[in-house]
Parts: sequence; structure tokens; C-alpha cells
Amino acid sequence: DADVTQTPRNRITKTGKRIMLECSQTKGHDRMYWYRQDPGLGLRLIYYSFDVKDINKGEISDGYSVSRQAQAKFSLSLESAIPNQTALYFCATSDAGGGETQYFGPGTRLLVL
Amino acid sequence: KNEVEQSPQNLTAQEGEFITINCSYSVGISALHWLQQHPGGGIVSLFMLSSGKKKHGRLIATINIQEKHSSLHITASHPRDSAVYICAVDSGGGADGLTFGKGTHLIIQP
Repeated sequence: DADVTQTPRNRITKTGKRIMLECSQTKGHDRMYWYRQDPGLGLRLIYYSFDVKDINKGEISDGYSVSRQAQAKFSLSLESAIPNQTALYFCATSDAGGGETQYFGPGTRLLVL
Repeated sequence: KNEVEQSPQNLTAQEGEFITINCSYSVGISALHWLQQHPGGGIVSLFMLSSGKKKHGRLIATINIQEKHSSLHITASHPRDSAVYICAVDSGGGADGLTFGKGTHLIIQP
């Protein structure tokens, strides 16, 4: 079984709808991250969390919110989806201590019409 | 903000060739990561470096901290090496996530 899972893997939604992307990990890591990937731009950090009580904005947090329900779960929400949020979204985890390997989920392809 | 540049953006080579992908960054870092993204989209971590050189099978990664530069080499390349290779830097000891390059799209032809 995969160490980092994301649901759904693919999602099509309409402008204005609220959607949630979920991430779960079995690695026991404290740190979790949400990134988005756009063609030609590389991955960019949306939000990150160092533990259940610690949530931090990344480079491109506008239009997104997150929830760290437990050490193993980190959810990303789009409160009112817009077409330019169409992208590939990745969750990642790492152990504490800095400079640690990040483990990525399989990604969620989101299309906002 | 750290600026991460990769070259080349695209590379097509014949099976068996020696491949080099370069990465440069603008601000001092605590670690540099090389990642591989397969055509299906999944991302796998290949190496994490803070100094020197690491080798895993046919893959070799080097970093020069003074010159703010890293290279990923593939020896005896094979079509299954075809993927996007991504360089990412950790500027804050893990405090702020990673900053990514745009990736190098590698195609190895039989």
C-alpha cells in the first residue's frame, strides 16, 4: 500500500463550487505539504503544516484553505473554485528536523470549468 | 526567494548515452533534492544532497555549494529513464517547503 494517498485522483467541478482534496499518510511524519503543478511553472507551495496545531501559508495560498485533522491527514479546500485553479495537486510529507526527503502522493488532477 | 534554474529544459538522447542535467540556485540552501516525475504524474525522490556526491545505480548527483550548482548524471541511459527530472532546494532547513525548478523533460530513444 502507498505511504501517501490522495483522494480523489481526478475531479471535474464547476466555477463557484466548494471542493476538498484529501491526503493521508502512514509514514508517521509530522510535516505535510500541499503543492500545485502547472505546465511550464513547476511545483509551487500552497500550504504546509508541521503538526496538528501548526498551519502555514505558502507562496500561493490565496483561494485555498487547509485543515490538519490528525497527524496523518491534511486536507486542502477550494472554497469557491475558479478556472485558473485547474492544475495537478500534490500532497507531500517529511520527517521533522529540516532537510529531509519529501514523499509525494500520486497527485489529484483538478479541472474547473 | 530562491531562484532555481534547470538546463536543458528538454533533452532527447539515444539509448546508452551519458546524460547530464544541471541545476543552479541563487541563495544558500540547507539541502537540494532531485526528483523524478513519470509520464503518469507520480513524483519520486531520487536524491537529497547537502554536499559532495551521491550514487544510486546508474544515477549520480553532485553538488557544489560554493558555486550554487548541482548536476544529475545518468550513465548507460535506457528508455525507461524517460521522465521529467526536477531539482528542488530547501532554503530554510525544511521550514518553508521546497522551491522547485521547472524540470527537464528527458526522452531516451531506443
